[in-house]
Amino acid sequence: KQEVTQIPAALSVPEGENLVLNCSFTDSAIYNLQWFRQDPGKGLTSLLLIQSSQREQTSGRLNASLDKSSGRSTLYIAASQPGDSATYLCAVNPISSGSARQLTFGSGTQLTVLP
Amino acid sequence: ETGVTQTPRHLVMGMTNKKSLKCEQHLGHNAMYWYKQSAKKPLELMFVYSLEERVENNSVPSRFSPECPNSSHLFLHLHTLQPEDSALYLCASSQKGAADTQYFGPGTRLTVL
Repeated sequence: KQEVTQIPAALSVPEGENLVLNCSFTDSAIYNLQWFRQDPGKGLTSLLLIQSSQREQTSGRLNASLDKSSGRSTLYIAASQPGDSATYLCAVNPISSGSARQLTFGSGTQLTVLP
Repeated sequence: ETGVTQTPRHLVMGMTNKKSLKCEQHLGHNAMYWYKQSAKKPLELMFVYSLEERVENNSVPSRFSPECPNSSHLFLHLHTLQPEDSALYLCASSQKGAADTQYFGPGTRLTVL
């Protein structure tokens, strides 16, 4: 059974700092990996999706990497801002889910960027 | 706005009530999902409807019943719920066969008394 772990569970940094969020998964047989952002009491916003054949994806100040063989992904946030404060969720799309495309989520990292 | 709407946004119900959650997607997608998000737990997939195929998580109790009348609408019918069913219920949609990015609605915050 695929399991997804995110470390740390919570992180507090001063504004302007670069930071890395970590995600690990137990089964490397995945279609893709996706990073989401969730603001308190709200739904999820997709940030980046990395297909299994890709090594990284970039969007603005965000860069996500994928090392499928070791079951790891990182989300790098450059020059953090208070508006980046949210919970960041990692999810994998395991091949074992077949055509249903079921995502398996980690518990998230709660990020606070202090002004 | 992600193009996925959910109603109601908040719901309080007793254990003997029957209610329904509604989700609508305006993105032309062909797959829709229900997720449950409880405090301190990862998101849990409950049901998937994809190109007329339904997949369900076997751990979901029968007091939750999904309905997908067409590719744009998804319902979750609730009856005789328990207090531990209190959670944020999220709906999502995607275009199966494409990049598989799932787009989420804002969720329904459910409280069972």
